[in-house]
Amino acid sequence: GAGVSQSPSNKVTEKGKDVELRCDPISGHTALYWYRQSLGQGLEFLIYFQGNSAPDKSGLPSDRFSAERTGGSVSTLTIQRTQQEDSAVYLCASSDRQGSETQYFGPGTRLLVL
Amino acid sequence: QKEVEQDPGPLSVPEGAIVSLNCTYSNSAFQYFMWYRQYSRKGPELLMYTYSSGNKEDGRFTAQVDKSSKYISLFIRDSQPSDSATYLCAMSADGPDSWGKLQFGAGTQVVVTP
Repeated sequence: GAGVSQSPSNKVTEKGKDVELRCDPISGHTALYWYRQSLGQGLEFLIYFQGNSAPDKSGLPSDRFSAERTGGSVSTLTIQRTQQEDSAVYLCASSDRQGSETQYFGPGTRLLVL
Repeated sequence: QKEVEQDPGPLSVPEGAIVSLNCTYSNSAFQYFMWYRQYSRKGPELLMYTYSSGNKEDGRFTAQVDKSSKYISLFIRDSQPSDSATYLCAMSADGPDSWGKLQFGAGTQVVVTP
């Protein structure tokens, strides 16, 4: 079956612009996660959605970052007023149950802020 | 200090050799330990998953967890050029506040030369 998909694959934007990154999880997966991977760094947890529960936003680095998940499926990560330090690969993962460590990752969106 | 430390490498080995990777961590609450493989421009792929201490073997891969030393290892036997990738360790604690929020090492780049 289809895995996790993300779009766009690459995004180049100018400092100060807003960007939206999209994640389509594996069908039927109730949990969805966003991570950020900077050059030479490990993955950094950003936000976690589980079913209809309120998301765990504890990893969002600033209030410029927000995410939503519509209908328990597709998720959008929005970065407002982008800064150069936001340049990274943004990875989405999904899992079939709450708290599962077996997370399936998408290919990521490579964001470059000029 | 990061919660999870991992040597970034690169680690270069000849084909057929044993690859030895490791991570150290500081949070004694970690209970779930994972190894992911990430090919260039792809998302991480789960290789091994271990709960608490002990060893786990799957084909050419062996994962070891020593909670007393806060040290985990991954061994790859009979390494192949197709094993060339970045290997990420990840771990998480138990409990609803920690569910799904993986803490990753920075990743070790492995190169297996024919």
